[in-house]
Amino acid sequence: ILNVEQSPQSLHVQEGDSTNFTCSFPSSNFYALHWYRWETAKSPEALFVMTLNGDEKKKGRISATLNTKEGYSYLYIKGSQPEDSATYLCAFNAGGTSYGKLTFGQGTILTVHP
Amino acid sequence: DAGVIQSPRHEVTEMGQEVTLRCKPISGHDYLFWYRQTMMRGLELLIYFNNNVPIDDSGMPEDRFSAKMPNASFSTLKIQPSEPRDSAVYFCASSTTSFNEQFFGPGTRLTVL
Repeated sequence: ILNVEQSPQSLHVQEGDSTNFTCSFPSSNFYALHWYRWETAKSPEALFVMTLNGDEKKKGRISATLNTKEGYSYLYIKGSQPEDSATYLCAFNAGGTSYGKLTFGQGTILTVHP
Repeated sequence: DAGVIQSPRHEVTEMGQEVTLRCKPISGHDYLFWYRQTMMRGLELLIYFNNNVPIDDSGMPEDRFSAKMPNASFSTLKIQPSEPRDSAVYFCASSTTSFNEQFFGPGTRLTVL
């Protein structure tokens, strides 16, 4: 069973604050790391797919980094806005014989207060 | 494109009844995934298909669950007989490759009484 851990479980910030959260995954048999944003009453939407150690991805005010050797990824949000409130999920793909399988973390619930 | 389509959106049934959930993936996507979301276990993969062939069904809870993909544009997840512990939101997702982003449907909220 693959262990994908996310921290913190929840986070409350004020509008304008910058924030970050962590995803930890097994450092062996790495294939890809996904980040998804999941708003209440909607479906998860992909933010990033990262495959290379040292990868950095950016989409607007959101960015992510990847360290496959030590098994972690950080997601950063600069200048949080209330519309950033959502659950942020990371998902690990170990490749191998089950190359399409994603194992999801439990998510970080972000609430941005106006 | 309409995105991934799931039906029904809500299903309420009684214990022991058969339940069939349906999914239409995005056209051209070769991978289709069925997930279940519960408070206790979060989002977990049940089964996935590549080019209509089941690749990994290790997440299917037990023999009461079965999934089929008769063609590239349609898949079903069937629970027979259903039990109250099957109550959850079931998502279908599709993607173009094994490691690309997955596009999720709106989900089916299943309640088994």
